[in-house]
Amino acid sequence: GAGVSQSPRYKVAKRGQDVALRCDPISGHVSLFWYQQALGQGPEFLTYFQNEAQLDKSGLPSDRFFAERPEGSVSTLKIQRTQQEDSAVYLCASSLRREGIYEQYFGPGTRLTVT
Amino acid sequence: GQQLNQSPQSMFIQEGEDVSMNCTSSSIFNTWLWYKQDPGEGPVLLIALYKAGELTSNGRLTAQFGITRKDSFLNISASIPSDVGIYFCAGRRGSQGNLIFGKGTKLSVKP
Repeated sequence: GAGVSQSPRYKVAKRGQDVALRCDPISGHVSLFWYQQALGQGPEFLTYFQNEAQLDKSGLPSDRFFAERPEGSVSTLKIQRTQQEDSAVYLCASSLRREGIYEQYFGPGTRLTVT
Repeated sequence: GQQLNQSPQSMFIQEGEDVSMNCTSSSIFNTWLWYKQDPGEGPVLLIALYKAGELTSNGRLTAQFGITRKDSFLNISASIPSDVGIYFCAGRRGSQGNLIFGKGTKLSVKP
């Protein structure tokens, strides 16, 4: 079956521009996560949805970052007034409860470069 | 943000060699996971561990959940060229919720 898909795969933005990154989770997956991966580092948690409810946004680095999942399926991560330090790969993961266990399956990521 | 202590940072392998890497944390986790990431791709789940002391295999890969719940290791036996990539450990405190990752171990082929 289809995995998690993300678009665009690459995005170049000029400093100060707004960007929107899309995630299509695996069909039927209830939970959706966003992570930020800087070059040479492991992914770091940004925010988490269960269906349309944003249950945890403690990892969002500033109020310029905003995520939504209005119908409990597709999610969008928006970054306003991008800064150079926002340059990173943004990963989306979805998970489905199976026998009480939730494991996360990742998309290929969107590489954002802010110039 | 918090990241787990993963070592070694990088290593070179010759085909057929066994490989070991480990991950430690200052706090307890209820789940330990090992992922592999190839260039331009997202992490792919290799092994998941749910109980302290648990030893789990997936083909040539074997991983263990430390009894203190603060560490885990991954072994790869008889390595092959397609094993190259970056391996990440990840921990989770509950049955769901976000993962905390290590910085990764980069496996390369010996020149």
